[in-house]
Amino acid sequence: DQQVKQNSPSLSVQEGRISILNCDYTNSMFDYFLWYKKYPAEGPTFLISISSIKDKNEDGRFTVFLNKSAKHLSLHIVPSQPGDSAVYFCAASAAGGTSYGKLTFGQGTILTVHP
Amino acid sequence: NAGVTQTPKFRILKIGQSMTLQCTQDMNHNYMYWYRQDPGMGLKLIYYSVGAGITDKGEVPNGYNVSRSTTEDFPLRLELAAPSQTSVYFCASSLLAATDTQYFGPGTRLTVL
Repeated sequence: DQQVKQNSPSLSVQEGRISILNCDYTNSMFDYFLWYKKYPAEGPTFLISISSIKDKNEDGRFTVFLNKSAKHLSLHIVPSQPGDSAVYFCAASAAGGTSYGKLTFGQGTILTVHP
Repeated sequence: NAGVTQTPKFRILKIGQSMTLQCTQDMNHNYMYWYRQDPGMGLKLIYYSVGAGITDKGEVPNGYNVSRSTTEDFPLRLELAAPSQTSVYFCASSLLAATDTQYFGPGTRLTVL
């Protein structure tokens, strides 16, 4: 049972345009969401997070939006740069239940930003 | 600070062999984790530890064992390697709970033939 899903395996965007990466979840206990970025042959690195008490969090070019009723979050990158080309993972955690203290990851989306 | 280091970077095992994947962090983090990433899949939690002497199972613990005798080290043991354990293994650490930023090592690519 895939509790966190990233339905787009890949996304291709032109430099300077907006990249929108999507993530859906099924576990209503999830209350904290994170995005990690991964370059080839490296471990993931933390990018941005959002708590369920918010619907938007912004950090420079990166903004995460959370729609709790739809169990959907998205990561917006504006403007996209070639150095943003990487795999992006959505992850979720819960304050209680069996997911407490653990991160559940989506499958990842490969973002390619063309110059 | 070196952060999270993992050894080896690559390893090929024969079916039935055993090995230990090493993980060390120098950030004095309480929490440590082991994940595996299969091709086209997200990271799945194998085991985690909330402090020295305390470990717990994650989503996919079968075929693995861990120990946490010190704050710094969190080795992952494969006793009887199987082809299904072919994967990339990542170790991570965080100061507080899973919602705290997790710092990942570079990974160990393991192939079981």
